[in-house]
Amino acid sequence: DIQMTQSPSSLSASVGDRVTITCRASQGITHYLAWYQQKAGKVPKLLIYAASALRSGVPSRFSGSESGTDFTLTISSLQPEDVATYYCQSYNSPPHTFGPGTKVEIK
Amino acid sequence: QVQLVESGGGLVKAGESLRLSCAASGFTFSDYYMTWIRQAPGKGLEWLSFISTTGSITHYADSVQGRFTISRDNAKNSLFLQMNSLRADDTAVYYCARFYGGVGSDTWGRGTLVTVSS
Repeated sequence: DIQMTQSPSSLSASVGDRVTITCRASQGITHYLAWYQQKAGKVPKLLIYAASALRSGVPSRFSGSESGTDFTLTISSLQPEDVATYYCQSYNSPPHTFGPGTKVEIK
Repeated sequence: QVQLVESGGGLVKAGESLRLSCAASGFTFSDYYMTWIRQAPGKGLEWLSFISTTGSITHYADSVQGRFTISRDNAKNSLFLQMNSLRADDTAVYYCARFYGGVGSDTWGRGTLVTVSS
């Protein structure tokens, strides 16, 4: 089975900072990688699919990229409403494993 | 609008069974794979299972293989998760989600809480 790791596990940044979260797959998953945002007490929300496609309605400050088995979620200018835990998920073949999550806070 | 509503959660004892339901509306249910995902208190997301549009294909996480069974009734726009031999570590909020192969899980229900007492 594919294992997903994420780094860092948590981060604290200032409003307006550029934030980068990395997800690594234990084997190739091509572009079948999604990013989800979960705010405290809320349901996870899909942000990015196919590694770099921004879901309709998601602010353009969010972006995704891939390089081999490494995937990156970038928030270009952190906003207070971006405080949340972010999860990556591979979905090319089952099991559709989630990463352990990255908690983003405002400094 | 597209909506998923889970039900059937509750408090059970270890070893007992529970059946979760997920009612879908606002889209053509039979056109989509569906999936179950759970989240233990204070923990991350754990993918559990998915089912194909007709129900002919199912997959499970190792943690629930042999104990949980996913099924669907397209005529009733409903998804189910039969959970047997429940353990304390099955305690979690259980979400159903619509799965689209090129996109991932794009729509989630609000979840239903399952608590298993030991």
